[in-house]
Amino acid sequence: GDSVTQMEGPVTLSEEAFLTINCTYTATGYPSLFWYVQYPGEGLQLLLKATKADDKGSNKGFEATYRKETTSFHLEKGSVQVSDSAVYFCALVRGSNYKLTFGKGTLLTVNP
Amino acid sequence: EAGVVQSPRYKIIEKKQPVAFWCNPISGHNTLYWYLQNLGQGPELLIRYENEEAVDDSQLPKDRFSAERLKGVDSTLKIQPAELGDSAVYLCASSYTDREAFFGQGTRLTVV
Repeated sequence: GDSVTQMEGPVTLSEEAFLTINCTYTATGYPSLFWYVQYPGEGLQLLLKATKADDKGSNKGFEATYRKETTSFHLEKGSVQVSDSAVYFCALVRGSNYKLTFGKGTLLTVNP
Repeated sequence: EAGVVQSPRYKIIEKKQPVAFWCNPISGHNTLYWYLQNLGQGPELLIRYENEEAVDDSQLPKDRFSAERLKGVDSTLKIQPAELGDSAVYLCASSYTDREAFFGQGTRLTVV
């Protein structure tokens, strides 16, 4: 079945550091890929998405590129802020049923 | 525009008691989802509705869980009787059929 594997957390960075959170997936066909963010006490929010190979999703300074050859969708940000502290989930959707398959999440803590 | 509204935000019950969660989706969204999020894990789909029809309930433990979506709008998820292992966050999401899902803040259930 479909699956998503994220790098283990927690990840702790200083403000303005570079962020990478690795995500790889297993799925047949051509899934759409997503990054969701969950701030403390809040629900999941869509951060960015990519629907086909080589697409780059971007939002709020975060970027991720859909790499079919490596089945990856790594999340990056050049300079993190304290307000980026949250749990980040990589997810995929395959087919028309729009069932999201999530990774386990990566907790990011950014210190001032 | 109002987002997905869930209530209650928090619920503490004793084991073997019943509990119900309510979800009001974004106006006009025909697809509604219930996800289960265990501590430290990504959300997992319990059930998906297209309008009032449950089109994917394969992951719903039907011996104790039930759900309904009357008139294709609001939805209720019920557990009867609750077990200790049901302690988790229950997330509701909605979307247009093939578009991105928007999540509510979730209901955190604690079974003691």
